[in-house]
Amino acid sequence: DAKTTQPPSMDCAEGRAANLPCNHSTISGNEYVYWYRQIHSQGPQYIIHGLKNNETNEMASLIITEDRKSSTLILPHATLRDTAVYYCIVRVGGGTASKLTFGTGTRLQVTL
Amino acid sequence: DGGITQSPKYLFRKEGQNVTLSCEQNLNHDAMYWYRQDPGQGLRLIYYSQIVNDFQKGDIAEGYSVSREKKESFPLTVTSAQKNPTAFYLCASSFRAPLVEQYFGPGTRLTVT
Repeated sequence: DAKTTQPPSMDCAEGRAANLPCNHSTISGNEYVYWYRQIHSQGPQYIIHGLKNNETNEMASLIITEDRKSSTLILPHATLRDTAVYYCIVRVGGGTASKLTFGTGTRLQVTL
Repeated sequence: DGGITQSPKYLFRKEGQNVTLSCEQNLNHDAMYWYRQDPGQGLRLIYYSQIVNDFQKGDIAEGYSVSREKKESFPLTVTSAQKNPTAFYLCASSFRAPLVEQYFGPGTRLTVT
């Protein structure tokens, strides 16, 4: 699986959009970008995933650049409950269930 | 309620003792996973199982053992051979299909002294 690079920490004011970047310059054509988050001392929670088109769900939006070398997770209106570590993961598509390779992620702190 | 449970939340053991961590799911998932997390680090895969009576080593399997006798259950034993057993242990499950999300349990924090 391709390696990802994320900033170690970010701050965001409550109510503003949080934009979390991820670089995955060695991504292959059949690798998907996944985002999970982990609130302190809890299990990680799936957020969203995509291949090359932008994706949106009730939690967030995922913007993937045209060359697929980087992506941005957008939380449109961050709240205090969004304070967590966010992990960007690149994962091979196809085949049966496979492991997730977690890096150290970005620690997002949402403040009043 | 469907979900994945781990027990206990906190576990304390003396060095040299084996300890078994419980993981149960009622999501009808075929695949189950065990991860380890150390402070300030990401998760590392210990073992995973895609079907009953079958499992594979992950990246850091040494000093651990698992069994998968039932679809719902995937217990992890931390043996005395594991040199640094103190960590946060997370169990996950998923359907056995491409690209499916993994659902994580609340974790067990093991402290060995």
